[in-house]
Amino acid sequence: DAKTTQPNSMESNEEEPVHLPCNHSTISGTDYIHWYRQLPSQGPEYVIHGLTSNVNNRMASLAIAEDRKSSTLILHRATLRDAAVYYCILSGNFNKFYFGSGTKLNVKP
Amino acid sequence: ETGVTQTPRHLVMGMTNKKSLKCEQHLGHNAMYWYKQSAKKPLELMFVYNFKEQTENNSVPSRFSPECPNSSHLFLHLHTLQPEDSALYLCASSQTPGQTNEKLFFGSGTQLSVL
Repeated sequence: DAKTTQPNSMESNEEEPVHLPCNHSTISGTDYIHWYRQLPSQGPEYVIHGLTSNVNNRMASLAIAEDRKSSTLILHRATLRDAAVYYCILSGNFNKFYFGSGTKLNVKP
Repeated sequence: ETGVTQTPRHLVMGMTNKKSLKCEQHLGHNAMYWYKQSAKKPLELMFVYNFKEQTENNSVPSRFSPECPNSSHLFLHLHTLQPEDSALYLCASSQTPGQTNEKLFFGSGTQLSVL
């Protein structure tokens, strides 16, 4: 199964943009790139996903490198409620969503 | 509210007890999952059910026994657990099995403590 690599933790100031990186150098042509986040005491929640093109939704933007070996989740204006663990996942194998260690995002007021 | 409900939220059990975790999804999905999240470890995929049929058992010990009576309900039966089985057990569902662009919807989990 294709693996992802993320920094263990990042810190941001409130109201500023946050760029969360993910490396996935072994990604295959059919793998989608998914991002989930897990707030304290909750199950993970879907944030965004994409295949090749950059994607935007109300929560975030996903920038995918041209060679697809890396991607960046962009939170345009971080709030205190965005403090969570963010997971980057590849979903190439049917139903097998494997979560890594994720990036713990701390947002400072 | 994500549409996936897990009960109980917290469970304390002894090593000789038998208990069951319940998951119900109100989203009309056809795939359901059990994940285990131990302290300071990544989520581990345990079981996958597609259209009520088990399609994945990720080398889970037999003291964990899943049951999926229909596409909306998923159980995890527990017996003779060990203290190292203490963890947050998460249930998830998705719409169409086998689609690589599927979204997972998680419940809030059951925090299990084995004494």
